[in-house]
Amino acid sequence: DAKTTQPTSMDCAEGRAANLPCNHSTISGNEYVYWYRQIHSQGPQYIIHGLKNNETNEMASLIITEDRKSSTLILPHATLRDTAVYYCIAIGSSNTGKLIFGQGTTLQVKP
Amino acid sequence: EAGVTQSPTHLIKTRGQQATLRCSPISGHTSVYWYQQALGLGLQFLLWYDEGEERNRGNFPPRFSGRQFPNYSSELNVNALELEDSALYLCASSPRLIGTGGTDTQDFGAGTRLSVL
Repeated sequence: DAKTTQPTSMDCAEGRAANLPCNHSTISGNEYVYWYRQIHSQGPQYIIHGLKNNETNEMASLIITEDRKSSTLILPHATLRDTAVYYCIAIGSSNTGKLIFGQGTTLQVKP
Repeated sequence: EAGVTQSPTHLIKTRGQQATLRCSPISGHTSVYWYQQALGLGLQFLLWYDEGEERNRGNFPPRFSGRQFPNYSSELNVNALELEDSALYLCASSPRLIGTGGTDTQDFGAGTRLSVL
């Protein structure tokens, strides 16, 4: 599975959009981009995933560049409860069963 | 629908003892995964069970072991506990193998916090 790179930390004002970038320049054609988040000392929570097209669900939007080398997770109206560590993970068909969590991005939403 | 449940929530042991952690997957899920998250560190993959068989294990010593029961629940055993085993242990489940179509996700429990004194 491809390695992903994320900024260590970001701040966002409450009510504003939070845009979290992820670089996955070595991603292969069959690898999906998944996003999870982990609120302090809880289990990670799935947010969204995509392959090529942009995706949106009730939690967030995922924008994947045309060359698929990077993506952005968008939380349209961040709240204080969105403060968490956000992980971007590339998952292919290697069937190892393991998710490789990097350091993620610590998003601090401020009032 | 009940999520992944883990017990106990907290566990305190002394060095050299054995710890047993339990996990019940979401109904209908056959795969169970275990991860370790030591303080200040990322999540590290420990074990993956599917249909009662160990499918993969991470870079951990053999004193970390587990099993999956016919009802798909799972147990993680840590023998000869060391201080550095203190961590949050997370269990996740999925309906089938991750990566077989890119559409399945791992659903995580709240974890068991193990403290080794």
